[in-house]
Amino acid sequence: AQSVTQPDIHITVSEGASLELRCNYSYGATPYLFWYVQSPGQGLQLLLKYFSGDTLVQGIKGFEAEFKRSQSSFNLRKPSVHWSDAAEYFCAVAFYGQNFVFGPGTRLSVLP
Amino acid sequence: GAGVSQSPRYKVAKRGQDVALRCDPISGHVSLFWYQQALGQGPEFLTYFQNEAQLDKSGLPSDRFFAERPEGSVSTLKIQRTQQEDSAVYLCASSDRRGSYEQYFGPGTRLTVT
Repeated sequence: AQSVTQPDIHITVSEGASLELRCNYSYGATPYLFWYVQSPGQGLQLLLKYFSGDTLVQGIKGFEAEFKRSQSSFNLRKPSVHWSDAAEYFCAVAFYGQNFVFGPGTRLSVLP
Repeated sequence: GAGVSQSPRYKVAKRGQDVALRCDPISGHVSLFWYQQALGQGPEFLTYFQNEAQLDKSGLPSDRFFAERPEGSVSTLKIQRTQQEDSAVYLCASSDRRGSYEQYFGPGTRLTVT
């Protein structure tokens, strides 16, 4: 069965520190990969996506993600976290012709 | 409007009541999706429309759930005889072309069944 795991339910980092959020998927082939952010009371906003090509993708708000086929992973990174980055982050996968499968999410807290 | 809008933003229903949740997609967007997000979980796919055609409803949890998009624009998700387990945030998303995979999400409707 297709699944997406985000091992960290909650992460706390200090403002200015680096961040890495983990995402692993279980699929028969390489899916399309996405990271979304959700602030309280808001809808999901797309941070970045990977379809093919360069395995390091750049997104909005200074985020990047790296696709590693051998590890079935698509981890999200940011070199320096801002207080406004505190939110819930969701990894999602889609296989051509099918719909999104979301991970359970990682809640990010940022300490001043 | 600039984005996807949903109404109402909050809905409290007594168990057994019927509810209707509305989604206004971005103007001109062909595809429309509904998701259910339970507390502390990621969104789960419910159903998908391309224009007025409902192409996939495999995620609807029971026959109490029904969605429509009669004119290929606004969509309504209806839940009949609501149960407590229906309490969740219902998210709507739209995309501008088939296979785009770039979905724009609305703020959601939080449904609480008491």
